[in-house]
Amino acid sequence: DAGITQSPRHKVTETGTPVTLRCHQTENHRYMYWYRQDPGHGLRLIHYSYGVKDTDKGEVSDGYSVSRSKTEDFLLTLESATSSQTSVYFCAIKGLAGDTGELFFGEGSRLTVL
Amino acid sequence: GQNIDQPTEMTATEGAIVQINCTYQTSGFNGLFWYQQHAGEAPTFLSYNVLDGLEEKGRFSSFLSRSKGYSYLLLKELQMKDSASYLCAVMDSNYQLIWGAGTKLIIKP
Repeated sequence: DAGITQSPRHKVTETGTPVTLRCHQTENHRYMYWYRQDPGHGLRLIHYSYGVKDTDKGEVSDGYSVSRSKTEDFLLTLESATSSQTSVYFCAIKGLAGDTGELFFGEGSRLTVL
Repeated sequence: GQNIDQPTEMTATEGAIVQINCTYQTSGFNGLFWYQQHAGEAPTFLSYNVLDGLEEKGRFSSFLSRSKGYSYLLLKELQMKDSASYLCAVMDSNYQLIWGAGTKLIIKP
């Protein structure tokens, strides 16, 4: 068990409202990732973090921001949600040094923007 | 651009063998991963290949040919619980994962 929890697991919101998704890990992993998953697409990287206050953009970062003020928490914020951001969002952590670098995923957060 | 191709859907019979192919074109190569994802759940790691050849892990095996940009996942003695999507992902020269859209495997009794 990689000890990753996401919250909320489900959320319905309206266009234009801000939304924050939280990813919490208990394993002290350095690397954390936010992906979105949509039908017909592979997992797409939104943002990732390689340490406290160290973050970088992924391939679909527009409209999203992140923060990592503590090792264990990685927050994804949609400043003004749009219908195109309706998706399932997965947080992931990278395995420890010596592993193959595989990712361990949280259970996902299903976001619906009306 | 970078691209991972895998079939959208496959159907197989319980007890049989199925091979799921993955072809890739990426900027560099630092390994190929296979993940399993049951409907409504998170992806879980199955296998990793970085050198050419076959890696066997129980009923599951994964093969890699770097010169051909090709991998397959072989599932033997199929069970109903193997019904899931199988995701192929390649780590590029920047150590970022490029994901295929996944292959939905349907197992019939």
